[in-house]
Amino acid sequence: EAGVAQSPRYKIIEKRQSVAFWCNPISGHATLYWYQQILGQGPKLLIQFQNNGVVDDSQLPKDRFSAERLKGVDSTLKIQPAKLEDSAVYLCASSPGRSVRGQYFGPGTRLTVT
Amino acid sequence: AQTVTQSQPEMSVQEAETVTLSCTYDTSESDYYLFWYKQPPSRQMILVIRQEAYKQQNATENRFSVNFQKAAKSFSLKISDSQLGDAAMYFCAYRSARNSGYALNFGKGTSLLVTP
Repeated sequence: EAGVAQSPRYKIIEKRQSVAFWCNPISGHATLYWYQQILGQGPKLLIQFQNNGVVDDSQLPKDRFSAERLKGVDSTLKIQPAKLEDSAVYLCASSPGRSVRGQYFGPGTRLTVT
Repeated sequence: AQTVTQSQPEMSVQEAETVTLSCTYDTSESDYYLFWYKQPPSRQMILVIRQEAYKQQNATENRFSVNFQKAAKSFSLKISDSQLGDAAMYFCAYRSARNSGYALNFGKGTSLLVTP
């Protein structure tokens, strides 16, 4: 079974530029999550999708962050414009709906904003 | 909101020895799930073990076991016969069983160093 795929693995941009991350969840997983992990901290949920609908985006800075999950499969997370404090690892995870087995994580994208 | 606290930023263990990582959490819910995830330098989060709050029996997965104390809201991870490959960041995480979101609340992590 293929795991959660993310790209790119690394990205360096200047502040005020825009950037987009892509995630392809495990086939058949209805639920998709984006987490932000700042250095030295645990991941923090940004947004959760159930199929192609948003379940929770309460911690997403909507003035600069946006996310979509077209057709309920892969997803993109965008930052525009980026700030220095957006430097972090962005993790995508998926789970088969209301799974009690936890979530399956991708390798993450490390973003550096200079 | 539920909070997860890992009070040990770093731990060290010798190969083949046993180490225990601590985790406490705060919740008003009675039904929930607890997890330990491992994050090696590759950044891939790997599920180590999970515990359902309604189960009194502590979960065990090979060399990994937990000590779940529901009344004390404590959920520690014991790694037996430590191996060099166990070196990583370990995160404790909480998930509500009733909230439709099912997102994970993570602690700040414990960095585990394994010495030969």
